[in-house]
Amino acid sequence: DAKTTQPTSMDCAEGRAANLPCNHSTISGNEYVYWYRQIHSQGPQYIIHGLKNNETNKMASLIITEDRKSSTLILPHATLRDTAVYYCIVRVPLWGYGGATNKLIFGTGTLLAVQP
Amino acid sequence: DTEVTQTPKHLVMGMTNKKSLKCEQHMGHRAMYWYKQKAKKPPELMFVYSYEKLSINESVPSRFSPECPNSSLLNLHLHALQPEDSALYLCASSQPRYNEQFFGPGTRLTVL
Repeated sequence: DAKTTQPTSMDCAEGRAANLPCNHSTISGNEYVYWYRQIHSQGPQYIIHGLKNNETNKMASLIITEDRKSSTLILPHATLRDTAVYYCIVRVPLWGYGGATNKLIFGTGTLLAVQP
Repeated sequence: DTEVTQTPKHLVMGMTNKKSLKCEQHMGHRAMYWYKQKAKKPPELMFVYSYEKLSINESVPSRFSPECPNSSLLNLHLHALQPEDSALYLCASSQPRYNEQFFGPGTRLTVL
């Protein structure tokens, strides 16, 4: 039940901006877009999230289209250490025992290879 | 302390064995999660605990039995597993209704 589609792989030159696209055309109004990355055989690492406004933090920027059907993660100055699988994720609210909780539905991921 | 720890890092078990995976966090988070990740695939949610109670079970087979003894600990008890259960098992934690889930490094499980 993946809600996002991403390119399988991308290359980026070191020092340049990396722009990773994601389509989420079936996203609902209360579902957030999250980005995590996973360096080989480690746990996923949180990058950024947003609902409908563009967001920026120390790691990256997230640009969400006005219709919310797609988004782009921007790493402004990619380094070799940014080589990883980047997951575009929809956070779905759930109700279970104990009240509200949520579920991260991961996309298939984009392998970003930063080249020297 | 913003870390989720998981033990063991690697585990090899036979189909008749009983073993347990352990996860620990000291961030005061009241929601904890188990995910399963097969090779070259994204993580998939298995269980959610909220305030030490099982909140969500994503139709996981009964050979996987989660347990949350207290707000800092999460266990996954394994019994009579199949070779296709070999995967990376990830634990995560968060505040129950909010935002960022912090993931541990995972336990790589091999079932022979």
